[in-house]
Amino acid sequence: QVQLQESGPGLVKPSQTLSLTCTVSGGSISGDSYYWSWIRQPAGKGLEWIGRVYTIGSTSYNPSLKSRVTISVDTSRNQFSLKLTSVTAADTALYYCARGRDGYNSFDSWGQGTLVTVSS
Amino acid sequence: SYELTQPPSVSVSPGQTASITCSGDKLGDKYASWYQQKPGQSPLLVISQDKKRPSGIPERFSGSNSGNTATLTISGTQATDEADYYCQAWDSTTAVFGGGTKLTVL
Repeated sequence: QVQLQESGPGLVKPSQTLSLTCTVSGGSISGDSYYWSWIRQPAGKGLEWIGRVYTIGSTSYNPSLKSRVTISVDTSRNQFSLKLTSVTAADTALYYCARGRDGYNSFDSWGQGTLVTVSS
Repeated sequence: SYELTQPPSVSVSPGQTASITCSGDKLGDKYASWYQQKPGQSPLLVISQDKKRPSGIPERFSGSNSGNTATLTISGTQATDEADYYCQAWDSTTAVFGGGTKLTVL
């Protein structure tokens, strides 16, 4: 059973860059046809997809965040990462990493989430 | 941009059937997935590809998708089913979530 664990700073100053890492255990991140996503949820609100990366390096991003987002993968460490630049208070949220699989169109494994607060 | 619309809340009595809808333009031409999220927990996939239940999900959860509407149906609803439910679909290479529906079992 694959497990995902988010890590990174819980507090980021406005205008700075938010950086998070998701470590995958219990299976290879390079597994067949998987993609790896970041999804966030502001307190008391719904889910917002940020983007995804395949282990071959191809990415796709939410158009509303695309100019500020980079998602990358490190297969040697079984990790993938999120960078979100020029953050504001509106980026304060619980950030989840999740796994998807081609052909299944859904996210079948999720991390526990990590809270990131944007404040000076 | 593509949007999915869910009712903010649905109420159901224990043992009865709950139906949660998700509407989007030509949603029936895409695959819909459903997630359950209880307070303080991560979302849990309960339905994928319109109607497939992942391993471990009770049979009382079922799904359908046609036209512009996908529906999550919970038969014989239990108190433990009280949660927020989110639908999700792909619009080309962008994943889209509905706004979520709070299911109250009372």
